[in-house]
Amino acid sequence: DTGVSQDPRHKITKRGQNVTFRCDPISEHNRLYWYRQTLGQGPEFLTYFQNEAQLEKSRLLSDRFSAERPKGSFSTLEIQRTEQGDSAMYLCASSLAGGMNTEAFFGQGTRLTVV
Amino acid sequence: AQKITQTQPGMFVQEKEAVTLDCTYDTSDPSYGLFWYKQPSSGEMIFLIYQGSYDQQNATEGRYSLNFQKARKSANLVISASQLGDSAMYFCAMGSNFGNEKLTFGTGTRLTIIP
Repeated sequence: DTGVSQDPRHKITKRGQNVTFRCDPISEHNRLYWYRQTLGQGPEFLTYFQNEAQLEKSRLLSDRFSAERPKGSFSTLEIQRTEQGDSAMYLCASSLAGGMNTEAFFGQGTRLTVV
Repeated sequence: AQKITQTQPGMFVQEKEAVTLDCTYDTSDPSYGLFWYKQPSSGEMIFLIYQGSYDQQNATEGRYSLNFQKARKSANLVISASQLGDSAMYFCAMGSNFGNEKLTFGTGTRLTIIP
């Protein structure tokens, strides 16, 4: 297992279109996280799963955003009716559930550009 | 609510010199974890070092050490003997009380190592 992988790496879409991103975590990791990073900022938490259960969603995750992790393995993040403000890097991370010193391993992200 | 502040947008350091990247934090949680991540131009967030709020000793990982001053709420990253490959964005982050379900990141510091 080579780490967290995200697909696609880059996505350009027209405003109003729907997009879907995929994240494959490290296989033994039961936690999966989605973050959004805009230019010049640090990543901002969007949501996380433990196994297939979505345990927390940020207020940043509007009703146009939906995330799933149907079998507790890979996850998808869908954005409906994209807006220019959705342009950002979307980062996925995974970790083992446990104490506070369990670090999250990040993928290389999907860069979304809405035109 | 948790907050991370990184006041150095950019730093330039001569190769082989040591560098300190500043991080201050604010939280009402009695226990928490502090992390440093490196983000090269490829986009992936690379875990560097972790410090628990109840750890008695400052964390060290190879050339990285964390200067943790709890009373001052600071968690500065020290990189010894800097290398050209250290040029990247560096983010300080804090984990929540119950096991780092989500991380709160600062805005980052862009470190450039000069040959």
